[in-house]
Amino acid sequence: QQQVKQSPQSLIVQKGGIPIINCAYENTAFDYFPWYQQFPGKGPALLIAIRPDVSEKKEGRFTISFNKSAKQFSLHIMDSQPGDSATYFCAAGSGNTGKLIFGQGTTLQVKP
Amino acid sequence: DAGVTQSPTHLIKTRGQQVTLRCSPKSGHDTVSWYQQALGQGPQFIFQYYEEEERQRGNFPDRFSGHQYPNYSSELNVNALLLGDSALYLCASSWVGQGQPKRYFGPGTRLTVT
Repeated sequence: QQQVKQSPQSLIVQKGGIPIINCAYENTAFDYFPWYQQFPGKGPALLIAIRPDVSEKKEGRFTISFNKSAKQFSLHIMDSQPGDSATYFCAAGSGNTGKLIFGQGTTLQVKP
Repeated sequence: DAGVTQSPTHLIKTRGQQVTLRCSPKSGHDTVSWYQQALGQGPQFIFQYYEEEERQRGNFPDRFSGHQYPNYSSELNVNALLLGDSALYLCASSWVGQGQPKRYFGPGTRLTVT
């Protein structure tokens, strides 16, 4: 019940494409769902986060879609660029604690 | 405004030794969490410190311990190192008064156990 399942494991798109990364969770106590971007040798950087009372959130080229009934959420990257090539992690947390449960990660490659 | 800083950047230890990793939280943050990230995996929660006390702990053995100082900086100690402890150790800071706090990660410490 503490797992967050992320797919796909890897993704290749052309520049300008819209990669979509999906995550699913089971624990209904989760109420905070962030996405992180990680480059090789670096720590994860917070991209965007959503709470379950909102179905969609946009920040720049990044959009989270949230489906509470299906217990799924996804990240869309609009007009993807080669600089977006990185590993993306979804995560879930509950309450006002530091514990986040991370997905397994998706390695994205954006071809020029 | 300095973000989360961690030291050292890299560390090589021998099996059975002990190691101490350090973290300074982002300015204004009072809560520090530690994560272990094995190669090709997502980060796994080790524990969280707030008000100098361990508040929550993940599924890690007692060989993993920590400390938080009055200035909110934190240490992660690992005793009796095993080869499987080789990983990137990440520190994340947040502010408990922020409601659903955003966690900001540091660059990590790469620990190699030989």
